[in-house]
Amino acid sequence: AQSVTQLGSHVSVSEGALVLLRCNYSSSVPPYLFWYVQYPNQGLQLLLKYTSAATLVKGINGFEAEFKKSETSFHLTKPSAHMSDAAEYFCAVILSGGGADGLTFGKGTHLIIQP
Amino acid sequence: EPEVTQTPSHQVTQMGQEVILRCVPISNHLYFYWYRQILGQKVEFLVSFYNNEISEKSEIFDDQFSVERPDGSNFTLKIRSTKLEDSAMYFCATQQSREGYTFGSGTRLTVV
Repeated sequence: AQSVTQLGSHVSVSEGALVLLRCNYSSSVPPYLFWYVQYPNQGLQLLLKYTSAATLVKGINGFEAEFKKSETSFHLTKPSAHMSDAAEYFCAVILSGGGADGLTFGKGTHLIIQP
Repeated sequence: EPEVTQTPSHQVTQMGQEVILRCVPISNHLYFYWYRQILGQKVEFLVSFYNNEISEKSEIFDDQFSVERPDGSNFTLKIRSTKLEDSAMYFCATQQSREGYTFGSGTRLTVV
């Protein structure tokens, strides 16, 4: 079975500052990893994904994440925060093998951008 | 870009009533899923559906829940007798491969 831990239910940064949202995973086989963003009263939008190709993954809106197998981490970063980045961010994992099991989500991190 | 369409966007129902949530998957996707998000909590897997049958289901997906693809296009989630604790956002997701999930915008279910 797989699991995801997101450290920090709330993260607050100033506009223009570095954004770092942490995600650690546990998986018995090589995982696929995803970051989703959810704006208030909206659905889930895929930011980026790791599917065993390049370990540094670039996504939309200037976000990127690096898969580090030795640390079992997939932290999300953005060099300069923008007010529009304020949202809930979810890390998710799925096993890379076959089958129709679903994504396992972390509890989410609420990103607050201070002006 | 292809989308997963969910209807209705918001449904209010009385406790004990049956509700059906509908999803139109992306046409060439093979795997279908329902997820639930209780307000302020994480997204939870309910059930996956492949080749016209349930592939996996979570502990949440008890006998009150059922899924089907009645006409080859719509993918539905039925809750037979709703409870207050069923109030949540329900997301449909479809997948062609394990790399490519697409989520719908969700149905907010309010049980009163």
